[in-house]
Amino acid sequence: AQSVTQLGSHVSVSEGALVLLRCNYSSSVPPYLFWYVQYPNQGLQLLLKYTSAATLVKGINGFEAEFKKSETSFHLTKPSAHMSDAAEYFCAVSDKNSHSGAGSYQLTFGKGTKLSVIP
Amino acid sequence: GAGVSQSPSNKVTEKGKDVELRCDPISGHTALYWYRQSLGQGLEFLIYFQGNSAPDKSGLPSDRFSAERTGGSVSTLTIQRTQQEDSAVYLCASSEHGYTFGSGTRLTVV
Repeated sequence: AQSVTQLGSHVSVSEGALVLLRCNYSSSVPPYLFWYVQYPNQGLQLLLKYTSAATLVKGINGFEAEFKKSETSFHLTKPSAHMSDAAEYFCAVSDKNSHSGAGSYQLTFGKGTKLSVIP
Repeated sequence: GAGVSQSPSNKVTEKGKDVELRCDPISGHTALYWYRQSLGQGLEFLIYFQGNSAPDKSGLPSDRFSAERTGGSVSTLTIQRTQQEDSAVYLCASSEHGYTFGSGTRLTVV
């Protein structure tokens, strides 16, 4: 069984400050890990994914995440927050790469972290 | 189409009524998922269709929930005898080389 824990349902940062959104996972098999962003009244958009290659993963909009097996973590960071980053962010785990052509498997999502950016 | 389309975008229904939610996946995507997003609860897996295989219904919360996918394309999620706790955003995603989510249907049961 897999699970995802996102610490902090709501995070506020000042514009230009570091963004750190925390995600810890539990998986009985090597995990594949994802971060999604959801803007108001929209679906989820993939930010980045870890698929057992490089442990530091770079995504869109200047975000990156580092897979740390010893800490079972996959925290999302961005050096400098922008007003447009205000959204809800979801961490997800899969036991197989949901983004391969060899079939698709369900994702298990965390409860989400709502990011507010203060001008 | 260019993306995953869900309709209606908003639905208000009276307790006890049946509702149908529609999902038009991206053409050619063989996998289709339904998730439910409740306030503060993240996304809850409901059901998964893969090609012509039997669907994985393990996430459906009760027998009031059902879904079908006709011709391997459009999917309909049906909720019978709606209850207030069914109020949520219902998200559909299709996948071939990655998940693409629709914008969801916001269901409010009054």
